[in-house]
Amino acid sequence: GAVVSQHPSWVICKSGTSVKIECRSLDFQATTMFWYRQFPKQSLMLMATSNEGSKATYEQGVEKDKFLINHASLTLSTLTVTSAHPEDSSFYICSPGGEQYFGPGTRLTVT
Amino acid sequence: AQSVTQLGSHVSVSEGALVLLRCNYSSSVPPYLFWYVQYPNQGLQLLLKYTTGATLVKGINGFEAEFKKSETSFHLTKPSAHMSDAAEYFCAVSGPLSNFGNEKLTFGTGTRLTIIP
Repeated sequence: GAVVSQHPSWVICKSGTSVKIECRSLDFQATTMFWYRQFPKQSLMLMATSNEGSKATYEQGVEKDKFLINHASLTLSTLTVTSAHPEDSSFYICSPGGEQYFGPGTRLTVT
Repeated sequence: AQSVTQLGSHVSVSEGALVLLRCNYSSSVPPYLFWYVQYPNQGLQLLLKYTTGATLVKGINGFEAEFKKSETSFHLTKPSAHMSDAAEYFCAVSGPLSNFGNEKLTFGTGTRLTIIP
């Protein structure tokens, strides 16, 4: 089946710093990328949707200037958490194309 | 707007017993329905999905789910639980495919399944 990778799988950063998360679809191309976050013991919540080469569309309540999404190619998308704070600590999951494929997730811990 | 309700945040069953995880949905358009499994520190894995047609959907690992429009339900079942089934299960709903061929998902809050030896 299709393979989706995320890097890093786990990152710890200090408050105020920025973190970049990469999502790659290794054997297929995806025009649309979905980014979710999952707080402990909660469900996945959609953060934003991006189409390759276009600006991302953010869900209500998600700060577009804080969560920067780049979808420059059909196999790579990045999510940058800028000026991270402890409340941003979460599990971030990408989904290239949606529905069928999800990345293994990146656990972000902000201290 | 769409929503999903999963009844029971925790379900425990004995090994070999029937597994039943409940999911009810709300959707203003004909729904596409999904069940996912998530093992600790891993991403989601699609178990099965319903789009159109046959209302009883068979998935991987022996799971199946039945779409009941009159009850707005999409419960997940497995006749005989195995220890390896212990995980978190999420029900999700989406609308019909958008022009891009995909649609965003709305997830339920999840049900943690524990298997008792």
